[in-house]
Formats: sequence, C-alpha cells, structure tokens
Amino acid sequence: NAGVTQTPKFQVLKTGQSMTLQCAQDMNHNSMYWYRQDPGMGLRLIYYSASEGTTDKGEVPNGYNVSRLNKREFSLRLESAAPSQTSVYFCASRTHPVGNQPQHFGDGTRLSIL
Amino acid sequence: GESVGLHLPTLSVQEGDNSIINCAYSNSASDYFIWYKQESGKGPQFIIDIRSNMDKRQGQRVTVLLNKTVKHLSLQIAATQPGDSAVYFCAENIPNAGGTSYGKLTFGQGTILTVHP
Repeated sequence: NAGVTQTPKFQVLKTGQSMTLQCAQDMNHNSMYWYRQDPGMGLRLIYYSASEGTTDKGEVPNGYNVSRLNKREFSLRLESAAPSQTSVYFCASRTHPVGNQPQHFGDGTRLSIL
Repeated sequence: GESVGLHLPTLSVQEGDNSIINCAYSNSASDYFIWYKQESGKGPQFIIDIRSNMDKRQGQRVTVLLNKTVKHLSLQIAATQPGDSAVYFCAENIPNAGGTSYGKLTFGQGTILTVHP
C-alpha cells in the first residue's frame, strides 16, 4: 500500500534550470496538494487541486506551476529555479474535494538550487 | 507553544511521562484542526483531528483539547515512549468566505519532542 509517492527524493539544480516534481497517490483521493517546508518552519501551501480538472493557488504560488494530470497524479513545475526555492517539497492528498478530513503526505522531495 | 523564527520550541520528557504540546492558532474562523507527527526525513503523519464544534477528542494514547476562546490547541500524549520523539505540528483549516473548506491548511512552526529512555 504505497499511499502518496513522490519522485525524485533528492535533486540539485542550478539557478535558471527547470524541473518537474512528480506526485502520485493510489488511494483514489479527489484532492491533492503541494507544500514547501523550510528549515525550522511549518509547511506552506503552494497550490492545490480540489478535484480532477481544477487547480488553485495557495499561500506561496509565485515561481511555480502545477498540472493535475489525472485523478492519481499532480505535478509541480519550477520553470526557472531560484536559490530561494531551495526547500523540501511535500505532496498530500485527501478523500473529498470539500469538507474536513485529514491530508495524507508523501515523504518529500529535497531540492537544492545552487 | 509555537514561536517565531528558526528556533523551534522543544519539550524533553522521560519515558513513561505524559507530554503536553501546545499550539496557538491564528484565525477565529478556523473550523478544523489536525495534529501531525514528523520524523526525520519523513512526511507529516496524521495523529488526530478535531472539529471546531468540539472541545476534546481522544484517540489511542493521545488527546486533543481545543479552547476557541483563546485560540489554543493542545496535544496530550500519555505514557510517552522513545518512538514518540519527533516534531509535532498543529494545522488549522480556514474555510473560504462562503464557509466551504477545500483543505487549505495553515501549519504552525512545530515543537520538537525528545523522549529519554
């Protein structure tokens, strides 16, 4: 039972390079989320997809784009990476598009931009 | 409780003691709260949740208390074990202006719990 799977686990980029982070869930969840976590801080929401075919901005969307490829997959793209985007990126999913229920997280992608 | 900046609050306890981790949340409109546990190199793991129409909820060895008057949340862990050592985060869900919740969580900065054998 894989849950939420993120690839790659680690990546080093040079400033200006582009990169797509992949996320897939096998729980038949409707909603998916991308967060970033910086040292000593909690997670901050970048973008989310409440249901297949929809995406919306979170708290810190600048410099990122997302694609909800299908119900299982939600990717995060950095078009021109900047050192300020060095972070750990987490993908999460939950069952329903609306209402209150917990999100389930993957183990993250550790991204360093030089 | 939570603090500003890079220095996370820390709590050190002996194995078998009870632990209380506190969290001050930001928005009086928040309608749902979650506690997560994060171990080194892993993603956040769901522990327990509570809706704003409740004051208390119990799980296995854990209890969450909600005080909406002062916007305060706490997580109590009974008989703390070394395996409980981790960073603990509270998260609040803030519904949109129409009252709909899409899971847009706001996380606290976390508390480091260390359990000594």
